[in-house]
Amino acid sequence: QKEVEQDPGPLSVPEGAIVSLNCTYSNSAFQYFMWYRQYSRKGPELLMYTYSSGNKEDGRFTAQVDKSSKYISLFIRDSQPSDSATYLCAMSRRFTGGGNKLTFGTGTQLKVEL
Amino acid sequence: GAVVSQHPSWVICKSGTSVKIECRSLDFQATTMFWYRQFPKQSLMLMATSNEGSKATYEQGVEKDKFLINHASLTLSTLTVTSAHPEDSSFYICSAPLAGGQDTQYFGPGTRLTVL
Repeated sequence: QKEVEQDPGPLSVPEGAIVSLNCTYSNSAFQYFMWYRQYSRKGPELLMYTYSSGNKEDGRFTAQVDKSSKYISLFIRDSQPSDSATYLCAMSRRFTGGGNKLTFGTGTQLKVEL
Repeated sequence: GAVVSQHPSWVICKSGTSVKIECRSLDFQATTMFWYRQFPKQSLMLMATSNEGSKATYEQGVEKDKFLINHASLTLSTLTVTSAHPEDSSFYICSAPLAGGQDTQYFGPGTRLTVL
């Protein structure tokens, strides 16, 4: 079983729709949760970062963490064609030596259509 | 936000040659950098952790003699793919956490390596 599970999609939605992206994880040692957006042939771009259960909002994006269920979500409101990308969830736990190693989900490919 | 650059952005080489990829943190210092490999339609796989002034730490299954890592300064880490073969063709991405903010990482734009 993978430590982080994420549906690879593809997920296709009409412009303006609310998008829900999800990841589950099995390791309760994960403390920090991130969502990255990756356009084709580009490096990942950090979208959201959370470390506690609950919701965090930033513009059209809302990250949700439920540690008791080991489940995280990213919601995108009023989705735009420019949101079409692969969305990767990532998690980390402390380790000695500085810097946290990230464990990624497989990524969900999202396409927002006109 | 923090900026991480990589050079080159793409490289094509012949089988058996070595290729060096640079990762630089442009506006912050990074005592630690990470190197990932990403195959088409797959997620990022951590290859190694680059530590300034000390040896890199490699993930299980990654050959340290094939993927040489040097972290010569607080803003530069290099990955050298030695004796490259076609199966080494991939997208290589580095990342660096902000010093003091160890929980978030900023990624470079990636280097696409094609070995003929």
